[in-house]
Amino acid sequence: NAGVMQNPRHLVRRRGQEARLRCSPMKGHSHVYWYRQLPEEGLKFMVYLQKENIIDESGMPKERFSAEFPKEGPSILRIQQVVRGDSAAYFCASSKDSPAIKPQHFGDGTRLSIL
Amino acid sequence: DQQVKQNSPSLSVQEGRISILNCDYTNSMFDYFLWYKKYPAEGPTFLISISSIKDKNEDGRFTVFLNKSAKHLSLHIVPSQPGDSAVYFCAARGSGGTSYGKLTFGQGTILTVHP
Repeated sequence: NAGVMQNPRHLVRRRGQEARLRCSPMKGHSHVYWYRQLPEEGLKFMVYLQKENIIDESGMPKERFSAEFPKEGPSILRIQQVVRGDSAAYFCASSKDSPAIKPQHFGDGTRLSIL
Repeated sequence: DQQVKQNSPSLSVQEGRISILNCDYTNSMFDYFLWYKKYPAEGPTFLISISSIKDKNEDGRFTVFLNKSAKHLSLHIVPSQPGDSAVYFCAARGSGGTSYGKLTFGQGTILTVHP
């Protein structure tokens, strides 16, 4: 999955701490998507962003979760006051221009573990 | 509300034979379908896609068939190789508005190809 870079690959947090997950899209891609995969389940859409804009956040929990994709730098998924249920693999994907006919390309994910 | 379903959690196939992975969907607004392959500890890798205006798309050993009336698609891999052993996810995208950025995934099917 060269191209979409996510870091860190593994992140351990204690309950109540903040988690910050970073995603650098493929070169030339201006559309970023975040997905979450719980154990034994498929990926669930969270949010779709373009530079400086949130396009669709219909999959984001209403509280504690936020995402941004600034003009400069990576996209950030931020989880405040983490709880055990936030333990999951978080995947970022990117696409070039409009995603209407272009497939999304995924990074290798960040595995978040909450102690 | 599982809009994309992969009813077979696993499939075992002999090397050289055909692998057929199935996927059903319920949302008639889906207009674009994709298959991804995923190895452990990696992100999904795009394999092949099909638009709802087609009923077949072929790329090398991979062919995807779409039956819109039955809301069913399948991925055929022939001949199957041991390196194809992975989890395969079916995904669908809706049309219109901001939904084109959101992929809805099935639960995945674990394919094992035996030498």
